[in-house]
Amino acid sequence: DQQVKQNSPSLSVQEGRISILNCDYTNSMFDYFLWYKKYPAEGPTFLISISSIKDKNEDGRFTVFLNKSAKHLSLHIVPSQPGDSAVYFCAARGSGGGADGLTFGKGTHLIIQP
Amino acid sequence: KAGVTQTPRYLIKTRGQQVTLSCSPISGHRSVSWYQQTPGQGLQFLFEYFSETQRNKGNFPGRFSGRQFSNSRSEMNVSTLELGDSALYLCASSLAARQGSGELFFGEGSRLTVL
Repeated sequence: DQQVKQNSPSLSVQEGRISILNCDYTNSMFDYFLWYKKYPAEGPTFLISISSIKDKNEDGRFTVFLNKSAKHLSLHIVPSQPGDSAVYFCAARGSGGGADGLTFGKGTHLIIQP
Repeated sequence: KAGVTQTPRYLIKTRGQQVTLSCSPISGHRSVSWYQQTPGQGLQFLFEYFSETQRNKGNFPGRFSGRQFSNSRSEMNVSTLELGDSALYLCASSLAARQGSGELFFGEGSRLTVL
């Protein structure tokens, strides 16, 4: 049972345009969401996060939107740059109060075309 | 500040063997987590250690085990290797006393190939 879903394995966007990466979740106990970026042969690096009490968080070119009623979040990158080409993982954390590991989606490979 | 260091970076084993992977967290980080990354399953949580105690464990068989030392360094062990254990094993450290409440810093991973 996949609790965090990234339904697009890959996405191709032209340089300078907006990239929108989507993520859906099924567990209503998730209260904190993160996006990680991963280049080949490197570990994932933290990009941006959002708490369930917010619906938007912005950091430079990156904005994450959270729609709790739809159990959906999205990452917007604008403008997209060649260096943004990477695999992006959506992750979620439960609010059980214990030491729950993050639940990751399978990732979306973003390709920025010149 | 040095990042998360994982050794070895690459290794090849045969079925039935066992393997030990090592992780040195960022200085001052007491939480260390392990994840398995495969093309079909993405990143899956293995276990998390904090102050030498395993706080949580993912849905993996008992062949997968780990430990943490007093200096926060961690090792994970996989016994009786199977072909399906071929994967990138990622270690992540965190300052957070509660797993997942803060940012995870990942190492570059150990790429295990089982023949």
